[in-house]
Amino acid sequence: DSGVTQTPKHLITATGQRVTLRCSPRSGDLSVYWYQQSLDQGLQFLIQYYNGEERAKGNILERFSAQQFPDLHSELNLSSLELGDSALYFCASSPHSGSSYNEQFFGPGTRLTVL
Amino acid sequence: AQTVTQSQPEMSVQEAETVTLSCTYDTSENNYYLFWYKQPPSRQMILVIRQEAYKQQNATENRFSVNFQKAAKSFSLKISDSQLGDTAMYFCAFMSRLGGSNYKLTFGKGTLLTVNP
Repeated sequence: DSGVTQTPKHLITATGQRVTLRCSPRSGDLSVYWYQQSLDQGLQFLIQYYNGEERAKGNILERFSAQQFPDLHSELNLSSLELGDSALYFCASSPHSGSSYNEQFFGPGTRLTVL
Repeated sequence: AQTVTQSQPEMSVQEAETVTLSCTYDTSENNYYLFWYKQPPSRQMILVIRQEAYKQQNATENRFSVNFQKAAKSFSLKISDSQLGDTAMYFCAFMSRLGGSNYKLTFGKGTLLTVNP
């Protein structure tokens, strides 16, 4: 158990809908990262937050957005869902973004299926 | 942009034998970090081993060790005394600097390792 929690574990929805994925980082970790794992694209970095502020963006679609709240939990919002958005979404946390070494601890993931 | 290549989509090994998984990467950075992650059927991402590029000594963690060749940009994982529980997808990952003190992981496509009894 990495200490990172994600809810829900599974999510099934229809095209055009909007969903919210939730992540709680390890106690004390200030950085949260979101990754998408799909069959065709593999594991891709989406976005990073540090202590409530967006720090970096990767291959995140404009239909996707995220935020990190004062209690440090984070939410990834996916809207206007398409079949291709079906994937496993991981959240990872790390102690802080200032260190030269920054181990990331992964949550169990949320499996999103868009029908 | 950094890229990570794992040329072996699938591998198999007999229990108690040794297996080596290959990984190459491309970067213009001089200071970086490399990782091997394991993803068993449960889908959990588990850190196996890490290597700092400035360290010449190869990292080891129990039965897991790496062969880090910086000039060749190669980072292979050796698993000794393979166990059934080692059956998993293995991802090589490169930690790159995004700017300031922010980093991201770039993953290879993975190698599916099956340990046979």
